[in-house]
Amino acid sequence: DTGVSQNPRHKITKRGQNVTFRCDPISEHNRLYWYRQTLGQGPEFLTYFQNEAQLEKSRLLSDRFSAERPKGSFSTLEIQRTEQGDSAMYLCASSSPRGSANRLTEAFFGQGTRLTVV
Amino acid sequence: RKEVEQDPGPFNVPEGATVAFNCTYSNSASQSFFWYRQDCRKEPKLLMSVYSSGNEDGRFTAQLNRASQYISLLIRDSKLSDSATYLCVVNIDEAGRRALTFGSGTRLQVQP
Repeated sequence: DTGVSQNPRHKITKRGQNVTFRCDPISEHNRLYWYRQTLGQGPEFLTYFQNEAQLEKSRLLSDRFSAERPKGSFSTLEIQRTEQGDSAMYLCASSSPRGSANRLTEAFFGQGTRLTVV
Repeated sequence: RKEVEQDPGPFNVPEGATVAFNCTYSNSASQSFFWYRQDCRKEPKLLMSVYSSGNEDGRFTAQLNRASQYISLLIRDSKLSDSATYLCVVNIDEAGRRALTFGSGTRLQVQP
């Protein structure tokens, strides 16, 4: 399977615990996005990497959230001291190096990690 | 005003009907536009890119009006399998961040 891969698919955690999710993008894609989606809403942008550089961060990405892409390939999203409001689907997407900074190409999504904080 | 605004629906239409969805976006600097489709509890998938001159892919037609900051999607001869949520996407958000920014989606239910 050469699509975007996310692990784990599901995560149940107790409030206050830390969780980490992993995303492996399509191999030739240099752009990587993280989104959060709750029921009835569209995906909300969290952060964007081009290669290993984190170029954009949403105001939704509080101090408890951090994302890394150390070698420009896979990425991790960590949530510290989880809260019940963090329960959501966390989606990763990647896109190719075609286009430019102001003309992004289409992104391909992984199946997501569903987080439930109890 | 939301960054990307869509009528949430649901649009309930019979098979064979023509249905149109509209979307408005707030940042005139946006230069890339897309329609995505999302089935229940699945990830979004690209339906089509939207070009300035308008474009068509089978039963689907997308239009862009930059002056009005408006995007549309027309589906002709609706099929049961078209039932899904349709997401409008632009590439620059209200704060000027370069990020694919999604609307909340319009839900379509095609009925037999």
